[in-house]
Amino acid sequence: GQNIDQPTEMTATEGAIVQINCTYQTSGFNGLFWYQQHAGEAPTFLSYNVLDGLEEKGRFSSFLSRSKGYSYLLLKELQMKDSASYLCAVSTDDYKLSFGAGTTVTVRA
Amino acid sequence: TAGITQAPTSQILAAGRSMTLRCTQDMRHNAMYWYRQDLGLGLRLIHYSNTAGTTGKGEVPDGYSVSRANTDDFPLTLASAVPSQTSVYFCASSPEPGTGFEKLFFGSGTQLSVL
Repeated sequence: GQNIDQPTEMTATEGAIVQINCTYQTSGFNGLFWYQQHAGEAPTFLSYNVLDGLEEKGRFSSFLSRSKGYSYLLLKELQMKDSASYLCAVSTDDYKLSFGAGTTVTVRA
Repeated sequence: TAGITQAPTSQILAAGRSMTLRCTQDMRHNAMYWYRQDLGLGLRLIHYSNTAGTTGKGEVPDGYSVSRANTDDFPLTLASAVPSQTSVYFCASSPEPGTGFEKLFFGSGTQLSVL
């Protein structure tokens, strides 16, 4: 089976930075995705990495190291609306997404 | 913009009964998927379809069946529901299956409780 690990919960203060780590051991690798999911809602696409390095998109950045089986999602200038679950997902050798259990981020004032 | 529509939003079902969860998309995406989401386990793939007329099994297919008669519709059927099928079910679609860039668009989900 696929193994995708990320912390269960993280708490940070409004305006701060939070880094969510994701490690993976999967059968094949075709790309890594981050999704955001607010409570009671559907996941929405945040970012995609297929090559090593950092992808920046506004306040959010995602990093990938394929040799280490490691990614992180960096959230800068945290806002209350960033309180959500963040899902790490890997496209594996059959081109299907396998998801981690998700990291619940709570932003406090 | 509709995107992906799931119905019903929520349902309480007696064990042993059958039920079909409906999913319709208007984006003309080739691939469609059914996931279930359980606390602490994340999203797990039940069944998928890469194109109309074809289906495949995901990670947790037992107790579920699907069909893909056309591009837009991908219903999920529980033939005889059991309490372990209590979950939130998400339908998703992707325009570019088999490329590595399987960006998924999700429906709003169906909360199913089997008692």
